[in-house]
Amino acid sequence: QQQVKQSPQSLIVQKGGISIINCAYENTAFDYFPWYQQFPGKGPALLIAIRPDVSEKKEGRFTISFNKSAKQFSLHIMDSQPGDSATYFCAASTTGAGSYQLTFGKGTKLSVIP
Amino acid sequence: EAQVTQNPRYLITVTGKKLTVTCSQNMNHEYMSWYRQDPGLGLRQIYYSMNVEVTDKGDVPEGYKVSRKEKRNFPLILESPSPNQTSLYFCASSQGLSRGTEAFFGQGTRLTVV
Repeated sequence: QQQVKQSPQSLIVQKGGISIINCAYENTAFDYFPWYQQFPGKGPALLIAIRPDVSEKKEGRFTISFNKSAKQFSLHIMDSQPGDSATYFCAASTTGAGSYQLTFGKGTKLSVIP
Repeated sequence: EAQVTQNPRYLITVTGKKLTVTCSQNMNHEYMSWYRQDPGLGLRQIYYSMNVEVTDKGDVPEGYKVSRKEKRNFPLILESPSPNQTSLYFCASSQGLSRGTEAFFGQGTRLTVV
């Protein structure tokens, strides 16, 4: 049972364009939503994260939009660059006591072409 | 430098030959976990540990064992590997998801079972 659904599976964007990756979750107890970025041959690394008390969080060219009622959140990469080419994973977790599981989406392979 | 170190990075073995993948972190993190990454399936948690001598199953624990005798180390043991365990494995550590903190991943171990 997949608790975090991520789409698209792959994405090709031209340099300077906007990349958008979407995720939907089912468990209403989730209250922490990070995005991880993975380059080939490397482990995932935290890119940006949001809690459901805000609808948007921006860090540089990366923005998370969060819609609690729809149980959806998305990553927007503005002015996409070839160096952004990587696999992106959304994830979700509860942050109460004893919550030690991050549930990941299946990942989106982003290719930014010059 | 804060890091999670996995060894080996690459391993080819034969069916049924016991193997251990080591994981060590130097950040004094309480929480450690193992994931496997397979094409189209994303990151799936195998086992996690909340502290020394405290471990629990993740989503895909069958065929794996773990131990946590020291805070810094969390080895993954495959007692009788099978070809369906061919995968890319990642160890991760964090201070604890109860505060929504970042998970740090190792570089990965690519395992092939023939």
